[in-house]
Amino acid sequence: DVKVTQSSRYLVKRTGEKVFLECVQDMDHENMFWYRQDPGLGLRLIYFSYDVKMKEKGDIPEGYSVSREKKERFSLILESASTNQTSMYLCASSSGQIDGYTFGSGTRLTVV
Amino acid sequence: AQTVTQSQPEMSVQEAETVTLSCTYDTSESNYYLFWYKQPPSRQMILVIRQEAYKQQNATENRFSVNFQKAAKSFSLKISDSQLGDTAMYFCAFMKLPSNSGYALNFGKGTSLLVTP
Repeated sequence: DVKVTQSSRYLVKRTGEKVFLECVQDMDHENMFWYRQDPGLGLRLIYFSYDVKMKEKGDIPEGYSVSREKKERFSLILESASTNQTSMYLCASSSGQIDGYTFGSGTRLTVV
Repeated sequence: AQTVTQSQPEMSVQEAETVTLSCTYDTSESNYYLFWYKQPPSRQMILVIRQEAYKQQNATENRFSVNFQKAAKSFSLKISDSQLGDTAMYFCAFMKLPSNSGYALNFGKGTSLLVTP
């Protein structure tokens, strides 16, 4: 069964910490995405990557960076976590084909 | 940029009844896809149905169907014979083709659907 795996389901971090959210896919997909989900705001695109070592900013990249050293792994980095980054983070991957979009089950991050 | 609007933050329907969730979008593109995703309490996003903009015929998947009005830029989801397991957040999403964003999806804010016994 193909899937996208996010390393943590729940995470609590302190303000100012550097936070890594990991995402791994086993489908050999070229495209990977990080979305942030907040009540009343839906899902918003933070960053995406269409190839190894390639990254592009999405709609809300401020305060975040990403790393894609291997095709299967796409990491989201909060350089200095702040309370307004408390949210649900969803990773997804896509083959570029219309039915090839797969989501992870999300990481609920709380910054205190 | 494309915007996707879901005007109903919350809806409720009784089991076995029919409910329609609305979605409108704004784009200048002529070629695109539209999607409805379901997110139950488990948080796993599940594709419900998709529609290619160039197709006139409305997509149907079992109890789920869409009413796609391209000129009006409207894409509503109809759920027939609602079941308790349909309780979830429903997101409408847009994908431009060809894509310069790795085929990223542009989502609406979601509609929370509650199916009651």
